Amino acid sequence: EVQLVESGGGVGQPGGSLRLSCTASGFTFDDYSMHWVRQRPGKGLEWVSVISWDGDISYYADSVQGRFTISRDNTENSLYLQMNSLKTDDTAVYYCAKQDGFGFHLDYWGRGTLVTVSS
Amino acid sequence: DIQMTQSPSYLSASVGDRVTITCRAAQTIGRDLTWYQQRQGEAPRLLIYGATSLHSGVSSRFSGGVSGTEFTLIISSLQPEDFATYYCQQSHNTPYNFGQGTKLEIK
Repeated sequence: EVQLVESGGGVGQPGGSLRLSCTASGFTFDDYSMHWVRQRPGKGLEWVSVISWDGDISYYADSVQGRFTISRDNTENSLYLQMNSLKTDDTAVYYCAKQDGFGFHLDYWGRGTLVTVSS
Repeated sequence: DIQMTQSPSYLSASVGDRVTITCRAAQTIGRDLTWYQQRQGEAPRLLIYGATSLHSGVSSRFSGGVSGTEFTLIISSLQPEDFATYYCQQSHNTPYNFGQGTKLEIK
């Protein structure tokens, strides 16, 4: 059974940093690209970032470009999101999601971790 | 960036109704369109990919259509568990933007 479990959420200060983790199981992690998607309280889904299976290629939403860094450790079956220069607007539930092997759709999602940016 | 516009934003319907949700892309995206369902308090769930392909395990009540840059999600006969928010997402180019969502409520 595919499982994705996010962790690392909590309260961060404006201008501060947080690092999110996503631990994967139930599939061959290093065969698949992985994504982060966020959802601000009461709002819709916002795509944040994607990283290729080998970690060589990544893309970001304009809203986080230059502040967030996606990475992965295939030996640990783990995905990460380093969040720097936090803004109050980054307050959201952050989901990690697995990309399907034959397309760009996201076939499995974690339950999410809440990040609150507040002074 | 490719903007995705969903309509309607809210939809009120009854069990057994047939409903259609539309998503329009600002430019050509081929069939690079996915539909997700999100129930209250849960993570999103994949329904339809490649505009028309039903994800494994998803009820055949759900179907997808495409005509140019207009995409549709049809639920043929609403069941109580279908009342949720639905999102489209394009995967033609990054950023992989979502539509703003359609909240389907019980009438």
